[in-house]
Amino acid sequence: DIQLTQSPSFLSASVGDRVTITCRASQGISSYLAWYQQKPGKAPKLLIYAASTLQSGVPSRFSGSGSGTEFTLTISSLQPEDFATYYCQQLNSYPRALTFGGGTKVEIK
Amino acid sequence: EVQLVESGGGLVKPGRSLRLSCTASGFTFGDYAMSWFRQAPGKGLEWVGFIRSKAYGGTTEYAASVKGRFTISRDDSKSIAYLQMNSLKTEDTAVYYCTRREVTMVQGLRIPVFDPWGQGTLVTVSS
Repeated sequence: DIQLTQSPSFLSASVGDRVTITCRASQGISSYLAWYQQKPGKAPKLLIYAASTLQSGVPSRFSGSGSGTEFTLTISSLQPEDFATYYCQQLNSYPRALTFGGGTKVEIK
Repeated sequence: EVQLVESGGGLVKPGRSLRLSCTASGFTFGDYAMSWFRQAPGKGLEWVGFIRSKAYGGTTEYAASVKGRFTISRDDSKSIAYLQMNSLKTEDTAVYYCTRREVTMVQGLRIPVFDPWGQGTLVTVSS
């Protein structure tokens, strides 16, 4: 199975900060990567698919980039509602063995 | 509004069975593949499996961890997807989510998109 490694696993930041989360794949996955946001007790919410396409309704301060094995999720100016855990997901193996990164928890500094 | 609502979770003993339901509204259910994911307490996300639409044979795919024990089915007349879980193990304890899958074209690539997700239902396997 393709492994995804997210870094950092924990991030402390202030409102207004620019935040970058990295996701590395154990083998090339082209642009078959999605990013999700999850708040405590809630379902994951799709933010970005195809590595860089913003899902409808998601604020433009979120952006994604990358291809192959290295990907980033950037929040240009962190807002109070952005404190959450973020997961990357690879879809290169679709329809089998879809895997997620271990998550990055973004907390208030 | 597109909505998915899971139900059927609860406490069950190891070795027993449980069936989860995912009731959909706000879209033509039969046109979409549906998928199940899970999240153990305090852990990350794990794909469980999915079922294609009838137009693509209604066939299923499963994660290795549940293959042979879990079965996904669908009733398009009721807009419900099911997850039948047999021979449950303690490690199956998790919140189970259903999602709608659609495929979109991005720069020549067919990209599967899992959205939206239901609110989840908790399954606890314990003696």
